[in-house]
Amino acid sequence: EAQVTQNPRYLITVTGKKLTVTCSQNMNHEYMSWYRQDPGLGLRQIYYSMNVEVTDKGDVPEGYKVSRKEKRNFPLILESPSPNQTSLYFCASSSLAGGDDGYTFGSGTRLTVV
Amino acid sequence: KQEVTQIPAALSVPEGENLVLNCSFTDSAIYNLQWFRQDPGKGLTSLLLIQSSQREQTSGRLNASLDKSSGRSTLYIAASQPGDSATYLCAVIGTYKYIFGTGTRLKVLA
Repeated sequence: EAQVTQNPRYLITVTGKKLTVTCSQNMNHEYMSWYRQDPGLGLRQIYYSMNVEVTDKGDVPEGYKVSRKEKRNFPLILESPSPNQTSLYFCASSSLAGGDDGYTFGSGTRLTVV
Repeated sequence: KQEVTQIPAALSVPEGENLVLNCSFTDSAIYNLQWFRQDPGKGLTSLLLIQSSQREQTSGRLNASLDKSSGRSTLYIAASQPGDSATYLCAVIGTYKYIFGTGTRLKVLA
């Protein structure tokens, strides 16, 4: 089954403790992206990647890092999480930057930073 | 800068009604437009993708139209059911970015 898999689904952590949210897709998609979703603010793009070793900032990249060492994986790294990073995070992928087959989303990761 | 607006923000209808959700965007230079459904606290499920060369797409009781020149898309839901209750998001697809509207929260009353 074609899918985007995020782990973990739920995570509670303390301020300053580094964490990684994993994202993997099995569709051989070139384009992958991370979003956060907050009430009243909608979905905002954090980072995106057009292919292996090619990444760029989205609208809200502060406090986040990403890497794209393999085509299928696009982990999101929070080096020193803070409470304002409490949010619902989504990873998404598509075959082309223009998304001729549309975006496929993961199921989300609900992160709470205390 | 592309801006995407969805009206109304919330909508309650009795079961069986046909309804229209609206999505407008400010820059007509888009590749595609995609409609999603999101249940509370859940992920986004793709409903329909309209490529820029198309004017509409249909899937079951759903029909989405796209008018690039006027910067508008509509999602038509026929014979609504309580199971259709969710938030509906449209996303405009530009260069390396999807711009999302803030959604229409739909409640279908039994």
